[in-house]
Amino acid sequence: GAGVSQSPRYKVTKRGQDVALRCDPISGHVSLYWYRQALGQGPEFLTYFNYEAQQDKSGLPNDRFSAERPEGSISTLTIQRTEQRDSAMYRCASSSAGSYNEQFFGPGTRLTVL
Amino acid sequence: DAKTTQPTSMDCAEGRAANLPCNHSTISGNEYVYWYRQIHSQGPQYIIHGLKNNETNEMASLIITEDRKSSTLILPHATLRDTAVYYCIVRVVGETSGSRLTFGEGTQLTVNP
Repeated sequence: GAGVSQSPRYKVTKRGQDVALRCDPISGHVSLYWYRQALGQGPEFLTYFNYEAQQDKSGLPNDRFSAERPEGSISTLTIQRTEQRDSAMYRCASSSAGSYNEQFFGPGTRLTVL
Repeated sequence: DAKTTQPTSMDCAEGRAANLPCNHSTISGNEYVYWYRQIHSQGPQYIIHGLKNNETNEMASLIITEDRKSSTLILPHATLRDTAVYYCIVRVVGETSGSRLTFGEGTQLTVNP
């Protein structure tokens, strides 16, 4: 079946613009995670959802970052008033119920803020 | 989550076993050891996890010491496609809720022909 998909795959924006990154998890997966990965570093946790409820947003760096998953399926990560330091690979992952279960990662969205 | 320490890089000859160590001396009783790998620019890929017993699956074996303060991931017959960054992660898990993965620096494994 289809894996986790993310769109767009590449996004170039100017400083100060808002961007919305989309994640489409594996069908039926309850949990959805957002991570950010800088070049040469491991992924860094941002936030996660169980169904539509945001369970942990402690990794969001500041209030310009927000995420939603209104129907418990597709999720959107929004960055307002982007800054150059926001440039990174943004990765989404999903897993079935129970945190024992492995997280499946999507291909990521490469965000470049000019 | 407990902190993990891994070597920055390792080399292995194709066809030989690759043994990747991880130190997690502050691990607590309810924390599992997970291994993921990331090939080039792809998303991380789950390999294996365990609590205190040794585990084996089609990809690898996980050996956890009796005191649980360290573990070793074993790729029994490394191939060129196993070249990747390998992450050892310690995390609390629950039966119904998800939990974050805390990635460290990982070990860059290079399999040489």
